Amino acid sequence: GEDVEQSLFLSVREGDSSVINCTYTDSSSTYLYWYKQEPGAGLQLLTYIFSNMDMKQDQRLTVLLNKKDKHLSLRIADTQTGDSAIYFCAENLAGGYNKLIFGAGTRLAVHP
Amino acid sequence: NAGVTQTPKFQVLKTGQSMTLQCAQDMNHNSMYWYRQDPGMGLRLIYYSASEGTTDKGEVPNGYNVSRLNKREFSLRLESAAPSQTSVYFCASSEIGGITDTQYFGPGTRLTVL
Repeated sequence: GEDVEQSLFLSVREGDSSVINCTYTDSSSTYLYWYKQEPGAGLQLLTYIFSNMDMKQDQRLTVLLNKKDKHLSLRIADTQTGDSAIYFCAENLAGGYNKLIFGAGTRLAVHP
Repeated sequence: NAGVTQTPKFQVLKTGQSMTLQCAQDMNHNSMYWYRQDPGMGLRLIYYSASEGTTDKGEVPNGYNVSRLNKREFSLRLESAAPSQTSVYFCASSEIGGITDTQYFGPGTRLTVL
């Protein structure tokens, strides 16, 4: 079945690294995404990783993919208060249209 | 470019009332989507339009209808609103609808049905 799970809340100190975790169940997923939602706003694509990759780095963001365990993580280095938001993991299933299955989102709170 | 715009931003309806949520994109995208977001849940796809002139059901289409008016606009209609339709509704668009496609989201419409 199709299911994406995330922990709902993460609190970190400014300047520390944040790691947001996600598990998915559908092994046919081809792309996995991280979206960011700031208060009152729509979702903004942060980064994505193709399923045949293990890691992708983009400035302060590092995505790790363990396909065997169906585990995806997003690491934010040097977390800032502007990183406070809800982060959604999503998988894009193979075949057909661009169908995204979203997790419930992890609320990241950054405190001084 | 405004990207994806949605109107209204907020709406309160009484049970049984009808309304249409509007969405427009200025990125010349072929595919458009309507999602709903409920507390503690991820976004769920209501309907999508792979290209102008086509629409298809997503995961949770019951109680909704859509119209792809032209390439730019994709509207979502609630014919007889129910409290279970209280949610935040997001419209999105993507260039071609393929699996490598990035979806761009609007700011959302917060709907409350009393």
